[in-house]
Amino acid sequence: SQKIEQNSEALNIQEGKTATLTCNYTNYSPAYLQWYRQDPGRGPVFLLLIRENEKEKRKERLKVTFDTTLKQSLFHITASQPADSATYLCALDGSSGYSTLTFGKGTMLLVSP
Amino acid sequence: SAVISQKPSRDICQRGTSLTIQCQVDSQVTMMFWYRQQPGQSLTLIATANQGSEATYESGFVIDKFPISRPNLTFSTLTVSNMSPEDSSIYLCSVEDQGTGTQYFGPGTRLTVL
Repeated sequence: SQKIEQNSEALNIQEGKTATLTCNYTNYSPAYLQWYRQDPGRGPVFLLLIRENEKEKRKERLKVTFDTTLKQSLFHITASQPADSATYLCALDGSSGYSTLTFGKGTMLLVSP
Repeated sequence: SAVISQKPSRDICQRGTSLTIQCQVDSQVTMMFWYRQQPGQSLTLIATANQGSEATYESGFVIDKFPISRPNLTFSTLTVSNMSPEDSSIYLCSVEDQGTGTQYFGPGTRLTVL
């Protein structure tokens, strides 16, 4: 079955620095990969989607890369702010069908002032 | 984007009872999804609910334990039946942004079973 790995340890960085989060996957070739943000007590919020034929996608201070050879996606937040502190989830289109998603456990990001 | 509400936001229930969670969307959607998020874990898909058809359950989840209704294009319910402490979790519903593959999530229902 498909497996998604995200660093379980929290990432602590200083305000203004670039945060880089990693998502690795095995046993699957996804058509696309997505990143979500989840705050405590809230549902996940969609951030970015990148397709298998795309190498990189940007949205404001966010950048996602997708390497289908390495089976890895990197998620970058530039000029990070304390408000960026949250858990970031990686998701792949699920093996159950195009519309379903399989999520990683997420990585908590803590940005200190 | 879709706005999704869930009721209740949280509940504390006794072992052996059942709880029905409601999910309301502000627009008509074809596919709705129910997830479970156990403490420290990621979201696990329970089932996909399409209006007018039986829900499709993922491996490890069965209709007798998690019956789902989908009476129209804006509403769905998930019932957690004969609850045990292992059912303590956050339950989330989501809808697909048609054709994009992305999903919008409700705020979740935090369930504690004693």
